[in-house]
Amino acid sequence: DIVMTQSPDSLAMSLGERATINCKSSQSVLYSSNNKHYLAWYQHKPGQPPKLLIYWASTRESGVPDRFSGSGSGTDFTLTISSLQAEDVAVYYCQQYYSTPYTFGQGTKLEIK
Amino acid sequence: QVQLQESGPGLVKPSGTLSLTCAVSGGSISNDNWWTWIRQPPGKGLAWIGEIYHTGNTHYNPSLKSRVTISVDKPKNQFSLNLTSVTAADTAVYYCVRIRLRATGGGFDSWGQGTLVTVSS
Repeated sequence: DIVMTQSPDSLAMSLGERATINCKSSQSVLYSSNNKHYLAWYQHKPGQPPKLLIYWASTRESGVPDRFSGSGSGTDFTLTISSLQAEDVAVYYCQQYYSTPYTFGQGTKLEIK
Repeated sequence: QVQLQESGPGLVKPSGTLSLTCAVSGGSISNDNWWTWIRQPPGKGLAWIGEIYHTGNTHYNPSLKSRVTISVDKPKNQFSLNLTSVTAADTAVYYCVRIRLRATGGGFDSWGQGTLVTVSS
């Protein structure tokens, strides 16, 4: 199984600040045929299902605000929220969909300071 | 916009079988997508259970493989989850989810609202 490890486990930032969440995979999730990383980011708010934010490591899902961005390659990936808003309070998960069993990171809880 | 809705008992006895159904609306389950079940135990993270294609092809998480069956009912446009020999560790919110084609991005792009299943006597 590909193990996904996120850091930090929790994060408290002030409104308007930049928030950065890291994700490391235990092996490459790069699909060589199309040079795409099969890595996604999800936002999970209490009482709601998770929401897909980013796929292919850096492509924003339709309708997702542009303050959310994904980057990275190889086995190291980052989700950045450029200017934190109150509605961004949530748990964020990275996930690899390169191979089954699909696996998620343990989650990063983002709070407002 | 495709919508998914889970249904099934919210309480299952230990050693019993957990059975859930996911009704798909706004799109055909026979489209070129895989369909999957995810669960989240209380206070824990997300875990992948398994997936199914409309042809009936399946993949399961090895950690659950001996106990899980996912099936598809194309006329009813739904798919189902059966998990046998349940214990308290199977208590979780269960989500049914659509997986987008990898060629168009992949990722789990449409989720049901989730249903809490508690294993208790």
